[in-house]
Order: sequence, then C-alpha cells, then structure tokens
Amino acid sequence: KNQVEQSPQSLIILEGKNCTLQCNYTVSPFSNLRWYKQDTGRGPVSLTIMTFSENTKSNGRYTATLDADTKQSSLHITASQLSDSASYICVVSAQTGANNLFFGTGTRLTVIP
Amino acid sequence: NAGVMQNPRHLVRRRGQEARLRCSPMKGHSHVYWYRQLPEEGLKFMVYLQKENIIDESGMPKERFSAEFPKEGPSILRIQQVVRGDSAAYFCASSSPGRRSGNTIYFGEGSWLTVV
Repeated sequence: KNQVEQSPQSLIILEGKNCTLQCNYTVSPFSNLRWYKQDTGRGPVSLTIMTFSENTKSNGRYTATLDADTKQSSLHITASQLSDSASYICVVSAQTGANNLFFGTGTRLTVIP
Repeated sequence: NAGVMQNPRHLVRRRGQEARLRCSPMKGHSHVYWYRQLPEEGLKFMVYLQKENIIDESGMPKERFSAEFPKEGPSILRIQQVVRGDSAAYFCASSSPGRRSGNTIYFGEGSWLTVV
C-alpha cells in the first residue's frame, strides 16, 4: 500500500535553532518527492522536488535529502526564523496510476522567540 | 501559489444549501486537482480532472459532490445539500501536461467552507 508518514507530528523550537523533519514512504514505483510549506490559512507552497537520482537539494535555509534505498527523506531547516512556523508536507509521486500523488499528514513546526 | 486562483476564499452556507467553489489553474496548465483539508488534518485527495474529463474521482464522496473542468472557464467543485461535516478548506492545484516527469504542482490559497 502506498503511504507517506511524517514525523514528528509537531515540533517546537527556539528561534535560531536548527531542526530536521522526517518523511518515510512506501510509494512504488517511485517518481519524485516534494516538500511543501503550508502557512496557517494559506495553500501549500513548494520548497523542493527531488527525483530518484538526487540525494540533496537546497532552497535557502531549507535542505532536503533523499535516500531512495531506505525510502526516507528529511527536511533540514537552518537558523530557524519565526516565519518558519508552518506545516511542512511531504508528497511522494508514483510513476503510475491515475492519481499518483501521496500526501503525508504534515509536521506542524512552531518557532518561538 | 502564484497563478492558481480560487474563489470564493470564504463561503458560509446553511445546511441544505449548495456550495460552488471555483478554481482557475495557472496559465498553460490543463490538469486540476481538488483536495479537502479538515482542521488539524492533512490534505485528502478528492478528484483529478483534465479539460472536459474526470480522470480520477476516487476521493469524492459518492453523493452530493461533483466536479467539472469545462473546455472554457474554471474548474468547479459543487457540493449539494451541504451538511456541517462538509465544513473544511478545499484546495485546488494545477500542473502542466507531463506531470509524471516531476513538474511542480501549484496550489491555490484555498476556499474555506463553513456550514452553519
């Protein structure tokens, strides 16, 4: 069964600290993995997208990693800011299927001063 | 989110009324997806459409819900005889043809439906 699981469910960190969010998936055959940021009351915004051959991709203070062998991805946030407070959603695409997108339930990050 | 336009952003309906949510995809995108998000929950797939075709509606409730994406005009998600459980945020997303190659899917800002 194609599933995407994220951990932790929620996280509180101090401003300026780093944090890492996890995404494990069982989607097969794998096509790509995306991380989205969703601010409260807004739509998700794409942060990164990685295909099978990519191990790391950065977008400013956000760095995503992908291990296609273990089917794990992480999103590392460096020097967190208050504006990083949001839900971070992992989305995995399969190569086949009419609807081939599988969503994690997200990690709710709160950055406090 | 630039380019995927949803309206209305907020909609209040009484039980039994109809709700119509509209989505204009990004320019050049012919694939539209609708998702529902309940408070404190993740996005749940509802339906995937291309112009004039429903490709996958496996996430749509069997009754009261329908979606279309006509040749001209926006995609519309229609909920008839709304009930309180329909209260949620409804997100539309779009992508260009060839999404399987890894094209990014862009989301709208959502339509918040409240049923009173």
